[in-house]
Amino acid sequence: NAGVTQTPKFQVLKTGQSMTLQCAQDMNHNSMYWYRQDPGMGLRLIYYSASEGTTDKGEVPNGYNVSRLNKREFSLRLESAAPSQTSVYFCASSDRGPYNEQFFGPGTRLTVL
Amino acid sequence: GQQLNQSPQSMFIQEGEDVSMNCTSSSIFNTWLWYKQDPGEGPVLLIALYKAGELTSNGRLTAQFGITRKDSFLNISASIPSDVGIYFCAGLTGTASKLTFGTGTRLQVTL
Repeated sequence: NAGVTQTPKFQVLKTGQSMTLQCAQDMNHNSMYWYRQDPGMGLRLIYYSASEGTTDKGEVPNGYNVSRLNKREFSLRLESAAPSQTSVYFCASSDRGPYNEQFFGPGTRLTVL
Repeated sequence: GQQLNQSPQSMFIQEGEDVSMNCTSSSIFNTWLWYKQDPGEGPVLLIALYKAGELTSNGRLTAQFGITRKDSFLNISASIPSDVGIYFCAGLTGTASKLTFGTGTRLQVTL
């Protein structure tokens, strides 16, 4: 039982390049989330998927797109990377229910030059 | 977007000391969660609180859900070196699936 896995762990991009961050969970959770973490800012929600087939914007969605490929996988795409998107990106999942305890992946450290 | 205010921002303590940190909000939350993040890792859930006034322990950790539902406290007793990390509070309101995270408290433990 690996929990939440993310790939890649590290990535360096040039401004304008595109890439997709992958996330998968093996806990049969219904909901999945993408966050970014910047120094001194805590975690901010980019997009989330309450259930398979649905996605919704979070607090900071601009410059990102997501795909809930199936119940296990939720990907985050940067179409044209900008230096402001340099951050650590975390994927999380939770079971549907009243308590919404989220379990996090190890993160992807992205640098945009 | 709203973020929860955590204090202190950072703490330097000696091994064996007790630690207290808190989280405050201008809004009411129905659930409070406390996470710990080790360097280079994702946050890990420590304690979950579901009712106003609730006091919950997990080993050396004790957390409380404030009566006003606008704050929460985390205490760590007899700190050890592996307590080093960043502690985040997070709040959940209504039936939304979205958590609001605090700004974090960075804890350093010296021998």
